Amino acid sequence: DGGITQSPKYLFRKEGQNVTLSCEQNLNHDAMYWYRQDPGQGLRLIYYSQIVNDFQKGDIAEGYSVSREKKESFPLTVTSAQKNPTAFYLCASSIVEGPYEQYFGPGTRLTVT
Amino acid sequence: GESVGLHLPTLSVQEGDNSIINCAYSNSASDYFIWYKQESGKGPQFIIDIRSNMDKRQGQRVTVLLNKTVKHLSLQIAATQPGDSAVYFCAESPQAAGNKLTFGGGTRVLVKP
Repeated sequence: DGGITQSPKYLFRKEGQNVTLSCEQNLNHDAMYWYRQDPGQGLRLIYYSQIVNDFQKGDIAEGYSVSREKKESFPLTVTSAQKNPTAFYLCASSIVEGPYEQYFGPGTRLTVT
Repeated sequence: GESVGLHLPTLSVQEGDNSIINCAYSNSASDYFIWYKQESGKGPQFIIDIRSNMDKRQGQRVTVLLNKTVKHLSLQIAATQPGDSAVYFCAESPQAAGNKLTFGGGTRVLVKP
């Protein structure tokens, strides 16, 4: 059953702590993406990666970091430097040659208090 | 429709009627357009896409229309069903951007029984 998994679905953290969100795909896609979604708003691109060991900043990368050590995995770390980390985080993947549709995971809702 | 802060534009439609969701895009260089459906608390799901060499594309119960002259995209849903209640996003991508998508703010569709 091919797809994208994100875990956990809900995550709670105290202010000042770093937290890592997991994203795994078995679609054999080279490109992966992280988006942030705030209530009632669209998706904003945080980081994306088109190949293992390489990634680029999106529109709102400040306070976030990523790694791409394996094709299947693209974890996102929300650092304590991110001023407003509470949001719904979505991971996506696609083929590199595009543009074509991106396939999305179910999302992780992060709440920082 | 474009979102205004926390207040998504909302389209209320009677079950069985046709729905039309509009989207104005900003980049005249965009040549790929896509519609996603997002149910509450879930990741976006692909509905239909269209490239700039076409002005209309049909899927199952959905039709996308592209008017490049006025940079306007619309999604038509025939015989709207309760399961169509969701937030709908358009996204655009210029060929030069590879597979990066820029998302609009979304429109909420409420289907009344």
